[in-house]
Amino acid sequence: DIQMTQSPSSLSASVGDSVTITCRASQTISAFLNWYQHRPGKVPKLLIYSTSVLHTGVPARFSGSRSGADFALTISSLQPEDFATYYCQQSDSTPYTFGQGTKLEIK
Amino acid sequence: VQLLESGGDLVQPGGSLRLSCVVSGFSVSSNYMTWVRQAPGKGLEWVALIDHGGKAHYADSVKDRFIISRDTSKNTVYLQMNSLRREDTSFYYCARVWAAALDFWGQGTLVTVSS
Repeated sequence: DIQMTQSPSSLSASVGDSVTITCRASQTISAFLNWYQHRPGKVPKLLIYSTSVLHTGVPARFSGSRSGADFALTISSLQPEDFATYYCQQSDSTPYTFGQGTKLEIK
Repeated sequence: VQLLESGGDLVQPGGSLRLSCVVSGFSVSSNYMTWVRQAPGKGLEWVALIDHGGKAHYADSVKDRFIISRDTSKNTVYLQMNSLRREDTSFYYCARVWAAALDFWGQGTLVTVSS
């Protein structure tokens, strides 16, 4: 099974800051790497699919990229509604797997 | 598009439960469908998937205990959960797989395994 290692596990930042969350797969995977936002009491929301494609309706301050084995989610100019937990997830092969999550908190 | 889960309940260890996910706005027979869970205070965990042809895939943690299925006439996906353990206590979400990502999610249903 493919394990996804996400870092950091938590992050403090201020409104207007830019942050990057990374995810590494335990083996080489294709571009089927997705990012989700999960706010308390809400349903998880797809942000980025296939490494770097912005899902419909997601603000352009969210972006995804890849450098070798590392995948990254960058949020530029943080807004108050961005403070949430973020997960990466691979769909390269089943069992699909999620990263452990990154909790983004207000500094 | 709407996905509506139901069937969550309090069940004793070793018991069984069947979750349902009624879908409107698209056909479950034309899409991969999946179940994801979140235990209290924990992260998201992928559970099971059913593909176009009805083939099922499972996480190791639920293999041989859970069964994912669908009824295309009711446009509904099910998760039959047997031999339940305390560690299966979670919020269970169903979701559609589109472009290899989970784009639409239901609101979830809570399963509590406790004596």
